[in-house]
Amino acid sequence: DAGVIQSPRHEVTEMGQEVTLRCKPISGHNSLFWYRQTMMRGLELLIYFNNNVPIDDSGMPEDRFSAKMPNASFSTLKIQPSEPRDSAVYFCASSLWGTVGGTQYFGPGTRLTVL
Amino acid sequence: AQTVTQSQPEMSVQEAETVTLSCTYDTSESDYYLFWYKQPPSRQMILVIRQEAYKQQNATENRFSVNFQKAAKSFSLKISDSQLGDAAMYFCAYRSIIQGAQKLVFGQGTRLTINP
Repeated sequence: DAGVIQSPRHEVTEMGQEVTLRCKPISGHNSLFWYRQTMMRGLELLIYFNNNVPIDDSGMPEDRFSAKMPNASFSTLKIQPSEPRDSAVYFCASSLWGTVGGTQYFGPGTRLTVL
Repeated sequence: AQTVTQSQPEMSVQEAETVTLSCTYDTSESDYYLFWYKQPPSRQMILVIRQEAYKQQNATENRFSVNFQKAAKSFSLKISDSQLGDAAMYFCAYRSIIQGAQKLVFGQGTRLTINP
């Protein structure tokens, strides 16, 4: 079975540009999570969805960040305009809510560099 | 809010030996889940083991086992017969059972080195 798919794997952009990260969750999973990993702050949740509905977006840094989940098989995280401090690894994870543990399975991550 | 603390930034062990990674957490909840994830240089986050707080029995997965001490809020990971492929960052994580609070709260990580 295919795991969580993220694209692109690497993104290098200049400050002020729009960046869109994409995620395809595991088929049949009904929860999707976006995490960010930095040296300073470690791994932190940005936002998550249950059944395509945003449940907790308290981790979204500011209005420059937005996330959507138009259907059960696709989600985007957009940064507009990007800033150097947004440089990080962004992970998407999915899980099947309601199962014991609701284990989250992670994608390979997108390494974003903003110059 | 829940917090997770890994007090060992780095650990090293000889190949084939046993190593234990420490994790403590703070919560006011009585039921929750705890996880260990492994992050090798490829940066992929890989689930190692999961523990349900309502289970007294410690979880095991092949060479990996945990020592779950609920009263002490401690959740350590033991790796037996260490292999070179075990070298990675290891993250301890907490997750509530409350619907609407599904996020994982991670510790700072422990970098494990395996010496041949």
